[in-house]
Amino acid sequence: DGGITQSPKYLFRKEGQNVTLSCEQNLNHDAMYWYRQDPGQGLRLIYYSQIVNDFQKGDIAEGYSVSREKKESFPLTVTSAQKNPTAFYLCASSPGQNSPLHFGNGTRLTVT
Amino acid sequence: AQKVTQAQTEISVVEKEDVTLDCVYETRDTTYYLFWYKQPPSGELVFLIRRNSFDEQNEISGRYSWNFQKSTSSFNFTITASQVVDSAVYFCALSEAGWRGYQKVTFGIGTKLQVIP
Repeated sequence: DGGITQSPKYLFRKEGQNVTLSCEQNLNHDAMYWYRQDPGQGLRLIYYSQIVNDFQKGDIAEGYSVSREKKESFPLTVTSAQKNPTAFYLCASSPGQNSPLHFGNGTRLTVT
Repeated sequence: AQKVTQAQTEISVVEKEDVTLDCVYETRDTTYYLFWYKQPPSGELVFLIRRNSFDEQNEISGRYSWNFQKSTSSFNFTITASQVVDSAVYFCALSEAGWRGYQKVTFGIGTKLQVIP
């Protein structure tokens, strides 16, 4: 079955360390997205990508970086510059404009 | 700028009661799409419905129904005869064409629904 795989489900890091969250899709979707979810704040867009080697900052990109070297993969790196990285991170993909987003199961990152 | 407001942060109902989740949106575009997603405790958001700005017809799918009113910029979601399995966080979202054709999706903060047996 096609879908989006995020790994790991839970991730723990010490403050000051960079950490990379994985997102892989086999839906053949062009667009991919990273969202951050915090209690009481809904989903906020971090980065999005329409095609390979092209990506754009979302509303809260500071302290994050991404790459899109393959259509199937859109990893997110949370850098030490991110002031409050503890959150639930969701990756999504879409086959086209105004189509529903398909989401992964998320990665819960805890930084202490 | 686009905005989605879900004023109800948490709702509790007893099983078999009907419940309506409110969604109010703001946009300057004449063409846009509205969505509802369900997020069960497992974390993955599941798509429920999409409605475009030119289609104000209400929709019913089993126990779920949606009421879209452009005059009040609302897209409300009703669950009839609620069940414990309906317990989840529900998100309303608005999609517009963004820069270079990118899809810009704005989510509300979500409404947490608890259905009590």
